[in-house]
Amino acid sequence: RKEVEQDPGPFNVPEGATVAFNCTYSNSASQSFFWYRQDCRKEPKLLMSVYSSGNEDGRFTAQLNRASQYISLLIRDSKLSDSATYLCVAGFQKLVFGTGTRLLVSP
Amino acid sequence: DGGITQSPKYLFRKEGQNVTLSCEQNLNHDAMYWYRQDPGQGLRLIYYSQIVNDFQKGDIAEGYSVSREKKESFPLTVTSAQKNPTAFYLCASIKEANQPQHFGDGTRLSIL
Repeated sequence: RKEVEQDPGPFNVPEGATVAFNCTYSNSASQSFFWYRQDCRKEPKLLMSVYSSGNEDGRFTAQLNRASQYISLLIRDSKLSDSATYLCVAGFQKLVFGTGTRLLVSP
Repeated sequence: DGGITQSPKYLFRKEGQNVTLSCEQNLNHDAMYWYRQDPGQGLRLIYYSQIVNDFQKGDIAEGYSVSREKKESFPLTVTSAQKNPTAFYLCASIKEANQPQHFGDGTRLSIL
């Protein structure tokens, strides 16, 4: 079993749609959680940290469920520019990256 | 501007050759990391260093070597023992444990 698992997608959604990604992690000692965005052939860039109480940044909302060991990312009002691969990250001292979920937003 | 600089952007290796990928940061970060990314796979940790003159093997260290003689620099050598070196190599750094990592823009390595 992978330490961090994500549905690879792709998720195909129209502009304006709301889309949600989930990610599960196996290490119950994980203390740090993040979502990164990676565009094709580019480096990952931090989208947002994930806090226990949940947090929001504009159209993006991240939530953490420690009991079930999963992290979610909700994107509201999808834009064409949101098309990318979204990497889930979890860990304690050593961060483990998921393989990513690909999102395609179409006009 | 502070950041992480990786060079070269593209690199070609001949069979039996060692090549070195450069990673420099001016963020005053203590920890630095090297990852490898293959198509359809996540980032896999090769080596990491939490302080100068110290480094640890990651999950796929075989065929690679590193050094950390200066805080700013963490070069990765892909040796001839690495039989499948073609990949996207990413260097990252963090100031403190459990903070998000900042990435360089990567080096694409291919075999000639």
